[in-house]
Amino acid sequence: GESVGLHLPTLSVQEGDNSIINCAYSNSASDYFIWYKQESGKGPQFIIDIRSNMDKRQGQRVTVLLNKTVKHLSLQIAATQPGDSAVYFCAEKNSGNTGKLIFGQGTTLQVKP
Amino acid sequence: GAVVSQHPSWVICKSGTSVKIECRSLDFQATTMFWYRQFPKQSLMLMATSNEGSKATYEQGVEKDKFLINHASLTLSTLTVTSAHPEDSSFYICSAPVGSTAEAFFGQGTRLTVV
Repeated sequence: GESVGLHLPTLSVQEGDNSIINCAYSNSASDYFIWYKQESGKGPQFIIDIRSNMDKRQGQRVTVLLNKTVKHLSLQIAATQPGDSAVYFCAEKNSGNTGKLIFGQGTTLQVKP
Repeated sequence: GAVVSQHPSWVICKSGTSVKIECRSLDFQATTMFWYRQFPKQSLMLMATSNEGSKATYEQGVEKDKFLINHASLTLSTLTVTSAHPEDSSFYICSAPVGSTAEAFFGQGTRLTVV
């Protein structure tokens, strides 16, 4: 869903551990859900997406889980590395609505060496 | 892969002046582009949808007369912040969807500071 005026929560993990970042979305009509990574001072970078008719999708070191019943999305990062430190945003897209992306609150991931 | 380029990367301007930010799709055509604003430690907030050859669609609460959007070609959208004030200082980011996929490519953002 949309966040207004909210500061980002922080997840701190040890290098090599797995990270799980969670997101709640608001629109049950959204048909795509996407995770983005944003490094300081840069634009968001696509990580992985999942269609609404799926509940799991895997990429390289990342897995996205979708639970439509509770409108919940998660991103799992395996063997977290220092380079994974960034802010992670989920976004939802309704293809029938010009395809615009609505971003969730975001989570800051800090990886401790 | 598809590339979206924003210019400038940062700009400082005086209160009351106008600033233009450009967003270009470098290797694909974009009939639609999106403009976002991001305040420090906050999420991206959609400001408007830029439509090639027609008027932009603004999100609720965004002043269309203050944030002028022009999408005159299939590879360029511009956002002009008119009569800028310090509260307009923010990170402005554009994006363009690619084909029918969910993926959208983002520009590198423009840091606007109004003094």
